[in-house]
Parts: sequence; C-alpha cells; structure tokens
Amino acid sequence: QKEVEQNSGPLSVPEGAIASLNCTYSDRGSQSFFWYRQYSGKSPELIMSIYSNGDKEDGRFTAQLNKASQYVSLLIRDSQPSDSATYLCAVMDSSYKLIFGSGTRLLVRP
Amino acid sequence: DAGVTQSPTHLIKTRGQHVTLRCSPISGHKSVSWYQQVLGQGPQFIFQYYEKEERGRGNFPDRFSARQFPNYSSELNVNALLLGDSALYLCASSSRAGGETQYFGPGTRLLVL
Repeated sequence: QKEVEQNSGPLSVPEGAIASLNCTYSDRGSQSFFWYRQYSGKSPELIMSIYSNGDKEDGRFTAQLNKASQYVSLLIRDSQPSDSATYLCAVMDSSYKLIFGSGTRLLVRP
Repeated sequence: DAGVTQSPTHLIKTRGQHVTLRCSPISGHKSVSWYQQVLGQGPQFIFQYYEKEERGRGNFPDRFSARQFPNYSSELNVNALLLGDSALYLCASSSRAGGETQYFGPGTRLLVL
C-alpha cells in the first residue's frame, strides 16, 4: 500500500513567520512530487512541483526534496492570513497515479 | 485560456440511482484523471485516461466507470449509488499521461441521500 503521510495540524503561525509543512512517502520509485493548496470548499490548486533532490524556490514558497529519506517539505516565508488553507502533498507513483496525503491545515494569525 | 471545466457543480441523488459527471480538460491536454475526495481526506485516484484509453484504475468497485471522448473530454459514471459515494469528485487534466503536472477543475459535489 503506497502511502503519503502528513501531519493534519492545524499548524498555527503568526503573520510574517515561516510556515514549514512536511510530508513523507513510502514508494521509493516515485519521481514527481507536488504541493497543492486547497481552500475550504474549493478544489486543489497547484503551488509547486519538484522532481530532483534539493530546493526549488518560487516567490515566497520553497519546496525541498530528499529522496534518500523519502521526505518532501514546503516552506512558506512571510506567511499571510490568505495562506490559511489545507496544503496537500502529492506523490506520483511509478504507474503515474497521484497519491495524496490527507493534508495539513495551516492557520496564519493576523 | 479556459481551465478544466466540470459539470454539474452540485448534485443530489438517492441511493441506488445512477450519476454521470462530465469534465473538459485544458485545451491541448490529452489526459484526464478522476479523483474522489471525502471530507477531511486527500483526493483518492479513481481513473486515468490518455488518448481515449484507460491508463490506470484505483481501488474502486466496478460501479465506477469512465470513458474519454475523441475531443478528450471525459465522463465518470457511478451506478447503484451508496451513501458513502457522497464526496467531491475532481477531474484533473495533464498534457500527457506520465509524470506531468495535473491541474484540477472546480469539482462536482455529490450528495447521496
């Protein structure tokens, strides 16, 4: 059973702080990794994709991948109240199916 | 450019009925995937289609079926609805079947009474 694990939260951070979201996965054959943001009642919205070990930065967001440890993380710098949402980690398995974690709820306090 | 579109947005059915959900991918995308998301969980993979052929199937009963049309739009059909089928059904579009980023439509919220 291929699994993607996330802490359900809520993770509460003050406005302006760095939010750190973590994810582990079980399928060593996975090659593609994604972070989606989902507001309540809405569909998932892509934030970032990452395919190789290391860091990938896009604006206030940084994704980090460590395939040896089977670990993916997302850092959000200068967190804003509008960042309050559920963040879904998704891993594409070796048969190209997206496997999602259950999501981490982030609350950014004004 | 239009994103992924889905219809209807909301649907109420009773147990035992049948439902058809529709999805149109982003223009130029040839792959469509379907996911079921129940409250408090991440989306669960149901099907993937690429160039009108089924490329993957998740752990769902045979009551669930899908197809992709020549214009790359897709239908998800669910027969003999159960209360547990109540969920948000998401369609995702990608340019190819393998390793590509998937972009989600707004979803269809199905309530089975």
